[in-house]
Amino acid sequence: GQQVMQIPQYQHVQEGEDFTTYCNSSTTLSNIQWYKQRPGGHPVFLIQLVKSGEVKKQKRLTFQFGEAKKNSSLHITATQTTDVGTYFCAPSGGYQKVTFGTGTKLQVIP
Amino acid sequence: DAGVTQSPTHLIKTRGQQVTLRCSPKSGHDTVSWYQQALGQGPQFIFQYYEEEERQRGNFPDRFSGHQFPNYSSELNVNALLLGDSALYLCASRTLGNTGELFFGEGSRLTVL
Repeated sequence: GQQVMQIPQYQHVQEGEDFTTYCNSSTTLSNIQWYKQRPGGHPVFLIQLVKSGEVKKQKRLTFQFGEAKKNSSLHITATQTTDVGTYFCAPSGGYQKVTFGTGTKLQVIP
Repeated sequence: DAGVTQSPTHLIKTRGQQVTLRCSPKSGHDTVSWYQQALGQGPQFIFQYYEEEERQRGNFPDRFSGHQFPNYSSELNVNALLLGDSALYLCASRTLGNTGELFFGEGSRLTVL
């Protein structure tokens, strides 16, 4: 099955610093979704990327899908304490089954 | 418009017992997926139901079974509980024709003693 790894596993940043998490797959992906899970909460959908090389922005968040559709990244500019949580990439595969990566836990220090 | 609702929110069982967890999908959604999330881990796909049939299954033993009813609600059953089954069980719904987002419920926290 699909193996999706995310790096780093943990990241501590000072408020105002930038943050990036990377998602790498051993196989070519049809599309990839990103979710955020706050501590004690449930995953919440952020975005879906479908096209090779696609870049999408949501305010301070920038999402990118690699040209080979085997990797993706999420970049947050000028982190805020509200960005705290775990970020998961989640490829959507056969019959739209969505599997989750290993996640990157972000801690923002005020 | 209610989102995805799950019950119970918390429960405690002992090894060997059986548990049933319930999920009502978001209005208009016809596909329900179940995930197991152990502490500090990402959600692991258990199975997906559409039109009352299991369509996809993850790497979980037969002790894990499910059902989808005509109103699209779903149940997850786990038999012969093990300590390692302790986790947050998440239900997510979507419309199959839409390749977009999953909507998650708050989850059922299962503790096996």
